Amino acid sequence: EAQVTQNPRYLITVTGKKLTVTCSQNMNHEYMSWYRQDPGLGLRQIYYSMNVEVTDKGDVPEGYKVSRKEKRNFPLILESPSPNQTSLYFCASSFTAAGEAFFGQGTRLTVV
Amino acid sequence: QKEVEQNSGPLSVPEGAIASLNCTYSDRGSQSFFWYRQYSGKSPELIMFIYSNGDKEDGRFTAQLNKASQYVSLLIRDSQPSDSATYLCAVNQDTGNQFYFGTGTSLTVIP
Repeated sequence: EAQVTQNPRYLITVTGKKLTVTCSQNMNHEYMSWYRQDPGLGLRQIYYSMNVEVTDKGDVPEGYKVSRKEKRNFPLILESPSPNQTSLYFCASSFTAAGEAFFGQGTRLTVV
Repeated sequence: QKEVEQNSGPLSVPEGAIASLNCTYSDRGSQSFFWYRQYSGKSPELIMFIYSNGDKEDGRFTAQLNKASQYVSLLIRDSQPSDSATYLCAVNQDTGNQFYFGTGTSLTVIP
């Protein structure tokens, strides 16, 4: 089954404790992205990747890091999480740059 | 200025009616336009995409694009209670993989 898998689905952590949210897709897509979704602000793109070792900043990259060492994986790293990073996070992949995005199930992160 | 704007609603329509959802965007260079549906607590799923001016129909859904007015809409005919969700408009400017989403319109279809 074609899918984008994120882990964990739910995470509560403390300020400053480094964390990684994993994302994996099995569709051999070139393009992958991370979004955060906040009430009233909608989905905002954090980072995107056009291929292995090629990443670029989206709209709200501050406080986040990404890496793309393999085509299927695109982890999101929060080196020092802060409460304003409490949000619902989605990973997405697409076959082309402007093509349909397939979303993962979401990760609800709470930073206390 | 927001890149993509939608009326947040809520929009309520009776079952069987036509639901009309609207979206405007600010960048004239935008090339690709998408409508996603998101049920509460779930991830967005694609309903329609449109690249050219005019109408595009897929079953009960019609997407309309007017690049001169920087306007894209989604019509849902014969609305069903299962269509009750938040509808997200998304725009791609063909500069890499950068997408801009609206804040979504909440639709409720009343049985």
